Amino acid sequence: DAGITQSPRHKVTETGTPVTLRCHQTENHRYMYWYRQDPGHGLRLIHYSYGVKDTDKGEVSDGYSVSRSKTEDFLLTLESATSSQTSVYFCAISEEAGLGEKLFFGSGTQLSVL
Amino acid sequence: AQSVTQLDSQVPVFEEAPVELRCNYSSSVSVYLFWYVQYPNQGLQLLLKYLSGSTLVKGINGFEAEFNKSQTSFHLRKPSVHISDTAEYFCAVVSYNTDKLIFGTGTRLQVFP
Repeated sequence: DAGITQSPRHKVTETGTPVTLRCHQTENHRYMYWYRQDPGHGLRLIHYSYGVKDTDKGEVSDGYSVSRSKTEDFLLTLESATSSQTSVYFCAISEEAGLGEKLFFGSGTQLSVL
Repeated sequence: AQSVTQLDSQVPVFEEAPVELRCNYSSSVSVYLFWYVQYPNQGLQLLLKYLSGSTLVKGINGFEAEFNKSQTSFHLRKPSVHISDTAEYFCAVVSYNTDKLIFGTGTRLQVFP
């Protein structure tokens, strides 16, 4: 299995509080992605990174920011969490852009915003 | 822009019966297509892929899919399902001119004994 660790695995927080989710990889892959998974919507891309300090927006980036100061870590921050951000968040990594055959997923973070 | 439509949100089936999970896509350029499987409380795993060549592709666990360019479809099939195939299945597409994988909304396959 690809070395991807997401932390925390579960988090409950209150509306208006900041939250940071961490994705750590040991594969030295260039590309890292944050998706959210919601019933009826499948997986939607929030942000992605194509290198250290290089990031771009996905389909549903509003209310989220990311940072990548090291190859191995990709942080997703909710500056002021809202109930609509209750979801399961998945990190994924890839050696190459776009080719889904080389996309590996973490186990997910269940976030509940009350 | 590319998009993916999975026509069935849930598919119930009895063990050892055949199953087909439907996926249609739209894109103005050529695409790569994928099926992923997600078992309960786990991340996604690649089941199979179509990049080029033969339109019938075989994946893990006895699944196969056929790329039909004229119908813009990539349906997933298995001739005989097992209880262990109970999971959520996602179709995904990436166009040649982008670097973003777009997922469908998922199909929950429930296999009953």
